[in-house]
Amino acid sequence: EVQLVQSGAELKKPGESLRISCKGSGYSFTSYWIAWVRQMPGKGLEWMGIIYPSDSDTRYSPSFQGQVTISADKSVGTAYLQWSSLRASDTAMYYCARGYDYGDFHLGYWGQGTQVTVSS
Amino acid sequence: EIVLTQSPATLSLSPGERATLSCRASQSVSRSYLAWYQQKPGQAPRLLIYGASSRATGIPDRFSGSGSGTDFTLTISRLEPEDFAVYYCQQYGSSPLLTFGGGTKVEI
Repeated sequence: EVQLVQSGAELKKPGESLRISCKGSGYSFTSYWIAWVRQMPGKGLEWMGIIYPSDSDTRYSPSFQGQVTISADKSVGTAYLQWSSLRASDTAMYYCARGYDYGDFHLGYWGQGTQVTVSS
Repeated sequence: EIVLTQSPATLSLSPGERATLSCRASQSVSRSYLAWYQQKPGQAPRLLIYGASSRATGIPDRFSGSGSGTDFTLTISRLEPEDFAVYYCQQYGSSPLLTFGGGTKVEI
């Protein structure tokens, strides 16, 4: 069974750094793209970026380029999303999601989401 | 930059009725790269349709997708109580690499 398990909820202060994780199991981790998607409170889905764990080829949405860093460690089957300096506007639910098929950017499998709250 | 516009924003229907949701792209999208998702409150999105008209694994056949070019449609033939949710279209391949529409809420 394909599973993406994300790290737990985070409460951080503005200016702090953060890395959240997404561990894949039940499939070949290096063979599928993994995307990160933001959902702000009461709002829609926003694509942030996507990584191919085999070679760490990473593409970012222009809206998030330079704001976050996406990485993957294939030795532990885990993708990461990190911030160097959080803002209150980063408060949101963050989802990781896997491509439905090889080379596919349709997101067929999703993690449970990680709630990030940034507040002083 | 490609923009996906979904309409209507909210669709008020009753169980058993037919739902027709629209997704319009600002530029032509390859049929192969258009998908639809369902999201219920407190849950992650779920892939319903990919390649504009192919149902993902386990999706009931009351869900169907159609369209090409800049106009795509998700149809729910007979609404079941569990179908009341928010639906998003998504494209990939054009700059930016992936884009979601703003969503349509199907409510009772």
